[in-house]
Amino acid sequence: QVQLQQWGAGLLKPSETLSLTCGVYGGSFRSFFWGWIRQPPGRRLEWIGESNHSGSTKYNPSLKSRVTISVDTSKNQFSLKLTSVTAADTAVYYCAMSRGTFDFWGQGTLVAVSS
Amino acid sequence: DIVMTQSPDSLAVSLGERATINCRSSESILYSSNNNNYLAWYQQKPGQPPKLLIYWASNRQSGVPERFSGSGSGTDFTLTISSLQAEDVAVYYCQQYYSPPWTFGQGTMVEIK
Repeated sequence: QVQLQQWGAGLLKPSETLSLTCGVYGGSFRSFFWGWIRQPPGRRLEWIGESNHSGSTKYNPSLKSRVTISVDTSKNQFSLKLTSVTAADTAVYYCAMSRGTFDFWGQGTLVAVSS
Repeated sequence: DIVMTQSPDSLAVSLGERATINCRSSESILYSSNNNNYLAWYQQKPGQPPKLLIYWASNRQSGVPERFSGSGSGTDFTLTISSLQAEDVAVYYCQQYYSPPWTFGQGTMVEIK
């Protein structure tokens, strides 16, 4: 059974960089893609992007210019950076194991952007 | 992007009755070479992350009760809860994984009548 535990800052000011990390426990880090999904208040889930263990990434074109997903195979962790945040980036952010489907999820982190 | 549209936005069903949720994709998500529909269903309860229920449109994830079933092909799909239980109150989402960016429906809230 794979477990994901995520952490990072929950309150940002406009123009700052969002930074979240997700630890993977109990699974094969090298066998899957590892991704991020967000859920703005009252809106649908939005896939941000994903990476495999070797750093091969896929990003949502709507966010690609601001997003970086990186992996640390020595720690079985992967991270999300989203630059130049605005209020529109306020959302619950989830990490997840991706096979196209999202089989296992982190607990979610509410990130609020406010001046 | 492939747009996923669910209907209805919400529904109220009596305990023990059938609940049916529809999902339509803006283009076919059936891959002809393997005859698989790249469609998943998730259940999300308040304060929790989504939980994968169904993949390949009709395959139940391990541990998911048999009252949950998925059907459909091409662009039109259905999630059915055959006999609604109190613990099934949640928001349900469909998701396509045929072509990135992976996209989700807007969600359907299921409540008890």
